[in-house]
Amino acid sequence: EVQLVESGGGLIQPGGSLRLSCAASGFTVSSNYMSWVRQAPGKGLEWVSVIHSGGTTYYADSVKGRFTISRDNSKNTLYLQMNSLRAEDTAVYYCANSIAPRRFDYWGQGTLVTVSS
Amino acid sequence: DIQVTQSPSSLSASVGDRVTITCRASQSISTYLNWYQEQPGKAPKLLIYAASSLQSGVPSRFSGSGSGTDFTLTISSLQPEDFATYYCQQSYSIPLTFGGGTKVEIK
Repeated sequence: EVQLVESGGGLIQPGGSLRLSCAASGFTVSSNYMSWVRQAPGKGLEWVSVIHSGGTTYYADSVKGRFTISRDNSKNTLYLQMNSLRAEDTAVYYCANSIAPRRFDYWGQGTLVTVSS
Repeated sequence: DIQVTQSPSSLSASVGDRVTITCRASQSISTYLNWYQEQPGKAPKLLIYAASSLQSGVPSRFSGSGSGTDFTLTISSLQPEDFATYYCQQSYSIPLTFGGGTKVEIK
């Protein structure tokens, strides 16, 4: 059974950094397309980043240069390093996997990131 | 970037009703269109991929159609567990973009 469990969210001041983790089970992270999608309070879904099985990464313009997606194959875990955080980054962050590019087959429960002073 | 517009933004329906949600892309995306269901407090769930393919485990009352710029999600007979928010998402090109969502409420 596919399971994705996010962690690492919390309250952080503007300009700060945070690293989110997504522990996966039931499949191999390195052989899937792994993504981060976020949802600001009361808003819709917004794609953030993806890492392909081959290691290629892509980012939304809103986070490019500030966020970095990565994975640890030995831990079967996906990460999102978030730097220079802004109030508009406040959202629930979901990780998702897929066997096909550019879609989201399974999602975790999400972790809330609040950027506020 | 490809814009994806969903309509309506909300609707009220009764159990047993047939419900249709539409999604329009700002340019042709062939059949690179997926649909998701989001229930309160739960992780989003993939319902339909490639415009009309039913994800494994999803009830057959859900169906999708369309190609090019216009797409529809149909629930043939609304069930109590279907009251949720639905999103379409284009998978034609990066950046991946979602529609604004359609909230299906109980009449």
